[in-house]
Amino acid sequence: KNQVEQSPQSLIILEGKNCTLQCNYTVSPFSNLRWYKQDTGRGPVSLTIMTFSENTKSNGRYTATLDADTKQSSLHITASQLSDSASYICVAFYGGSQGNLIFGKGTKLSVKP
Amino acid sequence: DAGVIQSPRHEVTEMGQEVTLRCKPISGHDYLFWYRQTMMRGLELLIYFNNNVPIDDSGMPEDRFSAKMPNASFSTLKIQPSEPRDSAVYFCASSSRQGSNQPQHFGDGTRLSIL
Repeated sequence: KNQVEQSPQSLIILEGKNCTLQCNYTVSPFSNLRWYKQDTGRGPVSLTIMTFSENTKSNGRYTATLDADTKQSSLHITASQLSDSASYICVAFYGGSQGNLIFGKGTKLSVKP
Repeated sequence: DAGVIQSPRHEVTEMGQEVTLRCKPISGHDYLFWYRQTMMRGLELLIYFNNNVPIDDSGMPEDRFSAKMPNASFSTLKIQPSEPRDSAVYFCASSSRQGSNQPQHFGDGTRLSIL
């Protein structure tokens, strides 16, 4: 069964600290994995897209990793800022079609001063 | 450059009424997606278009839902008749070119409440 699981469900950290969010996926055949940031009341914004052959991709203070063997991805946030408070959603695409995708339920991150 | 524009931002209506949600994709994008987000189920793809043609509508929950894309700059998602369980945030997104590795750009959604 195709599925995407994210952990933790929620996380509170202090401003300036680093954190890592996890995503485990089971889809076949794998196409690509994406991380989105969703601010409250806004639409998701794409952070990274990784294919099978990519194991690391950065976007500013955000670094995503992908292990295609273990079917795990992580999103590392460095030197967190208050504006990083948001939900982070992992999405796995499969089968090469734009319509074949599974969303994780997201991790809600709160960055406190 | 304008992003994906959705209207209305909020809609409150009574059960049984027809609801029409609107979306203007980013100019030049040839893929358009409609999603629904709820606390229970998260984000779900409802339907997507390529060059104004519906490609996959398997996510549309039932016949009460319909979507159209009469031209490259406009799409609608219609619910008729609406039910309380349709309450959710509906997002429209667009992307460019073929291939599944293009980022999707989301609008800010329509928050729909059916009383």
